[in-house]
Amino acid sequence: NAGVTQTPKFQVLKTGQSMTLQCAQDMNHEYMSWYRQDPGMGLRLIHYSVGAGITDQGEVPNGYNVSRSTTEDFPLRLLSAAPSQTSVYFCASSRGSYTVFYTFGSGTRLTVV
Amino acid sequence: AQTVTQSQPEMSVQEAETVTLSCTYDTSESDYYLFWYKQPPSRQMILVIRQEAYKQQNATENRFSVNFQKAAKSFSLKISDSQLGDAAMYFCAYISQGGSEKLVFGKGTKLTVNP
Repeated sequence: NAGVTQTPKFQVLKTGQSMTLQCAQDMNHEYMSWYRQDPGMGLRLIHYSVGAGITDQGEVPNGYNVSRSTTEDFPLRLLSAAPSQTSVYFCASSRGSYTVFYTFGSGTRLTVV
Repeated sequence: AQTVTQSQPEMSVQEAETVTLSCTYDTSESDYYLFWYKQPPSRQMILVIRQEAYKQQNATENRFSVNFQKAAKSFSLKISDSQLGDAAMYFCAYISQGGSEKLVFGKGTKLTVNP
């Protein structure tokens, strides 16, 4: 039982490049979320999904796209990376409404130069 | 919108001593959960303790306990008999009950444990 798997663990991008951060869970969780962690800012919600085919914006969605074609996967896309997107990204999942236990992935450290 | 405030960016404690980390939150809802997460240098987010708002009894997990003051919207974490392995970032977090999928975090407190 792998839980929440994020890939890659580390990535360096050049400004303007695009990439996708992968997130997969094998717990049949309905809810999946992406957070970014910056020094002194805590974790801030980027996008979230309450089920396959359903996504919505969080607190800091600009510059990021998501889709949820399957229950298991919730990729985060950076279309044109900017230095302001240098951060640590966490994917998290939970079983669904009225269930408040979240499982977090191990994070992706992204540097945009 | 709900907010979570951790007023202590950094704290330090001597090994075997007790330390309390502060957290306040703002919400208009009556049913919610509060959490403390630990993030060691490995970056993994580890759930330390949780508190249901409808429960008056403070949650306890081994050396970790909370002081939950619902009226004051305060949720502090006490770590007793501090150990070197307790050194980490600690995040207070809030989630409303009833279908909210948004976990709201404070900015964190960096705890240093001195030998």
